[in-house]
Amino acid sequence: GENVEQHPSTLSVQEGDSAVIKCTYSDSASNYFPWYKQELGKGPQLIIDIRSNVGEKKDQRIAVTLNKTAKHFSLHITETQPEDSAVYFCAASEVTGGGNKLTFGTGTQLKVEL
Amino acid sequence: KAGVTQTPRYLIKTRGQQVTLSCSPISGHRSVSWYQQTPGQGLQFLFEYFSETQRNKGNFPGRFSGRQFSNSRSEMNVSTLELGDSALYLCASSRRLNTGELFFGEGSRLTVL
Repeated sequence: GENVEQHPSTLSVQEGDSAVIKCTYSDSASNYFPWYKQELGKGPQLIIDIRSNVGEKKDQRIAVTLNKTAKHFSLHITETQPEDSAVYFCAASEVTGGGNKLTFGTGTQLKVEL
Repeated sequence: KAGVTQTPRYLIKTRGQQVTLSCSPISGHRSVSWYQQTPGQGLQFLFEYFSETQRNKGNFPGRFSGRQFSNSRSEMNVSTLELGDSALYLCASSRRLNTGELFFGEGSRLTVL
């Protein structure tokens, strides 16, 4: 089955700096890669996703890149703000025949310091 | 538009008991998935339902079961509770199969004593 590794497990940045979280996946059939943000006491919230036919996607301060050959994808947050502090999860899925099952990484605790 | 609603939000049970958790998906969403979240194992897939049929099942013992009703609402049941079942149980809905876009509820926090 699919295995997703995520690094780093914790990340501390100064407000206004950039943050980068990296994930690798094992199943070459995976074709959908979402990122979730989970705040304390809440469920994960989908913040951005990318499909295998695209190499990069951007939404305001958030961007995701995908390298299918190397089987890794990354989340980039620019101009970080205190409200970006949360746990971020990457995930991978083969959605064309596998339903909506996601395999998650182990999470990155992002702390944005003032 | 209301999000995914899970009830109860918190519950405490003792070993050997059983528990039923409920999930109401976003209106118009027909797929419901369940995940278990623990500090040690992270987010793990339990099962997915679509049109009242289980479409996918994760690697959990038979004590974990679920069902989906005709209105897309779903329930999951855990029988003969063990201490290790203490976790946040998350329900996620999606408009259809094979999209991957899951929208999560806030979860049901189960503590087994």
